[in-house]
Amino acid sequence: QKEVEQNSGPLSVPEGAIASLNCTYSDRVSQSFFWYRQYSGKSPELIMSIYSNGDKEDGRFTAQLNKASQYVSLLIRDSQPSDSATYLCAVNSGTSYGKLTFGQGTILTVHP
Amino acid sequence: KAGVTQTPRYLIKTRGQQVTLSCSPISGHRSVSWYQQTPGQGLQFLFEYFSETQRNKGNFPGRFSGRQFSNSRSEMNVSTLELGDSALYLCASTFLAGGSYEQYFGPGTRLTVT
Repeated sequence: QKEVEQNSGPLSVPEGAIASLNCTYSDRVSQSFFWYRQYSGKSPELIMSIYSNGDKEDGRFTAQLNKASQYVSLLIRDSQPSDSATYLCAVNSGTSYGKLTFGQGTILTVHP
Repeated sequence: KAGVTQTPRYLIKTRGQQVTLSCSPISGHRSVSWYQQTPGQGLQFLFEYFSETQRNKGNFPGRFSGRQFSNSRSEMNVSTLELGDSALYLCASTFLAGGSYEQYFGPGTRLTVT
C-alpha cells in the first residue's frame, strides 16, 4: 500500500463546476497535510495547508481533513481553465517538518 | 522576499560523471529539503538539512549526498551518474511559525543523463 494515495485521474470538469480531489494516507501519526498545484513544466506551488480535523477555506479552495478516516480532500469551487494542472497531496508524519511524502498527483482539466 | 533559487536550471551529463546542484532558500528559512521528481516515481524525498545538519534522509543510494552551509545555502551531489538519475531535482525551504509550517519549492534543476 502506498503511503499517500490520490484519486486516479485525469479529472475533467466544466468551467464553473466544483472539482473534488481526494487523498488517503496510511500513517496514522501524520500531523500535517498540504495541497500543491503543479503546472506542466513548473515546480509545485503551495495552495493549502491543514492541520486539524474539519474544513479550511481560502478563496475558491476548501481543504477537508478527517484524521479518523485518514482522508484529506480539496474542493475547488467555480473551477476555471487556469485551474487545469496536476494537484499533489503531501503529508508530513512529524519526524521532521522538512520531509513531505507526496501522492502521485491528480491531473485536473477544466474545459470551457 | 525572493523565492527559492536553484542553479543551474538545466544540465546534461554523461553516465559515470558527477554533478552538483545548488539551492538558496528563502531568506530566514533554515530548513532545506531536496526532492527528485520523475514521471514514474513522482516526487520523492531525498534529504533535509537544518542548521548544516542532515536531519532526515530518503531511500536513495549513497551516490546521492548533500550539505548545507552556514548561510543556509545547500548543495546536492550525485556521483557516478546513471541514466535513471534523469529527473527534475527540486529544492524546498520550510518556514516554521507558531506550530505550523509551509514548504516552498524552487524552480528545479532539470538533469538529463545520456
